[in-house]
Amino acid sequence: AQSVTQLDSQVPVFEEAPVELRCNYSSSVSVYLFWYVQYPNQGLQLLLKYLSGSTLVKGINGFEAEFNKSQTSFHLRKPSVHISDTAEYFCAVNPPGNQFYFGTGTSLTVIP
Amino acid sequence: GAVVSQHPSRVICKSGTSVKIECRSLDFQATTMFWYRQFPKKSLMLMATSNEGSKATYEQGVEKDKFLINHASLTLSTLTVTSAHPEDSSFYICSARERMGPQETQYFGPGTRLLVL
Repeated sequence: AQSVTQLDSQVPVFEEAPVELRCNYSSSVSVYLFWYVQYPNQGLQLLLKYLSGSTLVKGINGFEAEFNKSQTSFHLRKPSVHISDTAEYFCAVNPPGNQFYFGTGTSLTVIP
Repeated sequence: GAVVSQHPSRVICKSGTSVKIECRSLDFQATTMFWYRQFPKKSLMLMATSNEGSKATYEQGVEKDKFLINHASLTLSTLTVTSAHPEDSSFYICSARERMGPQETQYFGPGTRLLVL
């Protein structure tokens, strides 16, 4: 069985400050790991993904995430946020060939 | 990258009517597509797995007679919400799985927002 936990439902942060959105998962099989962003009334946009190889993954819009196998975590980070980063962020795991399992989402609000 | 489209992007209908949502893989063949539902300010939950040429596999608690899924071709899956009611109002998102040899990738559609009055 797979599950994804996003520990913070809401994260307020000031503009140009760094941010970390936490994601922990559990799985009985190997999984791929993803972060998606969803802007109001829009679909999912892929930020980044980890399939294999280097545990530090760089994505779009200056985001990066680090896969930590021992801690079963895949935290998302950005060194300096912008107002336009205000959105809902979803962490997801995907056992190859299977459905996606999503976390409950983290609402990031960037404060001017 | 590969693109998945959904049509319509937004639909408003009266209670009791049926609504069909299309999910298309535009430049690849998808033997498997997934249908998700997202409630307001909630996460996405898998409703069913759609397999080309065979019956869909529904998740527990999803009424198969209410949410009819047809995957008639390798590039099209449809979700029909029959006799829609206000509680069916939601954001419906599909994904399509592309296989290239041993590699596979899933792509999400932009979603369809359904409002039942």
